Amino acid sequence: DAGVTQSPTHLIKTRGQHVTLRCSPISGHKSVSWYQQVLGQGPQFIFQYYEKEERGRGNFPDRFSARQFPNYSSELNVNALLLGDSALYLCASRTGTGISYEQYFGPGTRLTVT
Amino acid sequence: GENVEQHPSTLSVQEGDSAVIKCTYSDSASNYFPWYKQELGKRPQLIIDIRSNVGEKKDQRIAVTLNKTAKHFSLHITETQPEDSAVYFCAAKTTDSWGKLQFGAGTQVVVTP
Repeated sequence: DAGVTQSPTHLIKTRGQHVTLRCSPISGHKSVSWYQQVLGQGPQFIFQYYEKEERGRGNFPDRFSARQFPNYSSELNVNALLLGDSALYLCASRTGTGISYEQYFGPGTRLTVT
Repeated sequence: GENVEQHPSTLSVQEGDSAVIKCTYSDSASNYFPWYKQELGKRPQLIIDIRSNVGEKKDQRIAVTLNKTAKHFSLHITETQPEDSAVYFCAAKTTDSWGKLQFGAGTQVVVTP
């Protein structure tokens, strides 16, 4: 079975630009979460989606937005990029139902803002 | 909100020795505590987890213990091998969140032959 996939792998953008990152969860998983990992730190929660609805939002500015599609894939959008947005953006999926809490991460998208 | 502290930040061990990483959490409502291993340039990989109704869980050379009263949990790696070298993250999830994990800052483990 394929794991969580993310695209693109790497991305270089200029300050002020907009970026869209994509994630496909493990087959059968209905919940997707997004995390930002700055070099040398643990992942920081940005959003969680389940059944296309936002179920949680971390302490990030409104420049960050996300959505989930009917096939449970997800997009993370960041507007007006700042240098501080440079990080590894990780997507994690879980079944989202019952008492299964395990989250599995994708390989991430390395975003560099210059 | 939940706050997770992790110690030590770096840990150097001789091959064959044991490694212990400790985390404390602030929210007594937390009910799920996973550990992730992240090798350089790779994704965090779930290696073991424990729920609040269990005190200890073991999987081969890896074990996790949970002390709910003291609000801390630990990762134990026995008979360490060079391939155990990585950054290890602890995390906690509260009962009122759908899946939000609060991560510790990570522990760089170096196993020297």
